[in-house]
Amino acid sequence: QSALTQPASVSGSPGQSITISCTGTSSDIGTYNYVSWYQQRPGKAPRLLIYDISSRPSGVSDRFSGSKSGNTASLTISGLQAEDEADYYCNSYTWSSTMLFGGGTKVTVL
Amino acid sequence: EVHLVESGGGLVKPGGSLRLSCAASGFDFSDYSMHWVRQAPGRGLEWVSWIGSRSTYIHYADSMKGRFTVSRDNAKNAMYLQMNSLRVEDTAVYYCARGNHWQLVQNFFDNWGQGTLVTVSS
Repeated sequence: QSALTQPASVSGSPGQSITISCTGTSSDIGTYNYVSWYQQRPGKAPRLLIYDISSRPSGVSDRFSGSKSGNTASLTISGLQAEDEADYYCNSYTWSSTMLFGGGTKVTVL
Repeated sequence: EVHLVESGGGLVKPGGSLRLSCAASGFDFSDYSMHWVRQAPGRGLEWVSWIGSRSTYIHYADSMKGRFTVSRDNAKNAMYLQMNSLRVEDTAVYYCARGNHWQLVQNFFDNWGQGTLVTVSS
């Protein structure tokens, strides 16, 4: 099964907002409201940022927010900071009882 | 504090086998489902497998079915991944991650270990 589609890279200046898209199909994102997002800094394990499309675990900054429309989920980072430079991955449950990640998006703070 | 530690990685020849372990602490292991996720060098994350809290429910990614077997021992607070018929393309860092629900459909990965590197090469 092919990975969910994310842009390879997104960049922004400090203080700006950026949005990362994650496009799937009616077999995953389009049907299930169980999309999660992860941040991975170089050499580190991934960290949960968003679950169930738009919920934030305790300890995650409210600068991170999630949404979904149709077959596409989105992660928005507002008030971009240098520490936000990392790779970001989306994930969704699929109709075939598997979990599918996006290809990952590298965020660069200019 | 949730703590997950993977072990068992190493160098193995194509066609060989390896057993990974994930030691859990800081939470009631028997109440949580668990996942394996892997990441090939320089590549993205790939979900491998999920096991329910009582081992009643198990799911695999299609490319791992028939070659990988996940199991757990709640008395030892440990999860395992038996990997057989290994291929060069199985080379990756393997992470264990805690799940959040008894059904795979509502799952996400709320805590991760630091990973163990598996290298498949002749």
